[in-house]
Amino acid sequence: QVQLQESGPGLVKPSETLSLTCTVSDASIRSFTWSWIRQPAGKGLEWIGRIYRNGKTDYNPPLKSRVTMSVDTSKNQFSLKLSSVTAADTAIYYCTREFYSAAWYSDYWGQGTLVTVSS
Amino acid sequence: DIHLTQSPSFMSASVGDRVTITCRASQDIGNPLGWYQQKPGKAPNLLIYAASTLQSGVSSRFSGSGFGTEFTLTISSLQPEDFATYYCQHLHSYPITFGQGTRLEIK
Repeated sequence: QVQLQESGPGLVKPSETLSLTCTVSDASIRSFTWSWIRQPAGKGLEWIGRIYRNGKTDYNPPLKSRVTMSVDTSKNQFSLKLSSVTAADTAIYYCTREFYSAAWYSDYWGQGTLVTVSS
Repeated sequence: DIHLTQSPSFMSASVGDRVTITCRASQDIGNPLGWYQQKPGKAPNLLIYAASTLQSGVSSRFSGSGFGTEFTLTISSLQPEDFATYYCQHLHSYPITFGQGTRLEIK
């Protein structure tokens, strides 16, 4: 059973960079496409971006200028960096695995990690 | 940008009811649309992809239909474990967006 686990600081100061890592079990990071999705408490879902197995990335335009995703194949992990954070970036962040069927869908999700932006 | 509007935003229903949730896109997206179920404190779970394909392991009481701008998720006979929030998501173009969610509660 594929498992994903997010990790990283739960508290980030405004204007700093949010950094999260997703550790993948029972699936090779090299073989799939991976994404990040976030959800402010009590609100809806926001798709952040994805990284393909060739390392290419696609980011949603509203966040594109602040987002960087990367893969560490030696650790079977992928990561998210979001720069210049504000309180609006406070959310639960999920990492997901995506599969392709004429489009990319998230079939496995981590449990989510809450990141709070506050001084 | 493509905007997805779900209706209703909230509904209450009883075990055994047939329930339909609608997702309308602000422009024609074809069929790259998914439906997710989310229970409190849990990550979302994919139910339907490509508008009408049942994800492996998901109960056959869930079904999806639609193409273009109007899509539906139907639960044929509500079970206690189905009370949750449901989201549609389009994958047509960037930005990829979700509907605002439909919260389904027990009557």
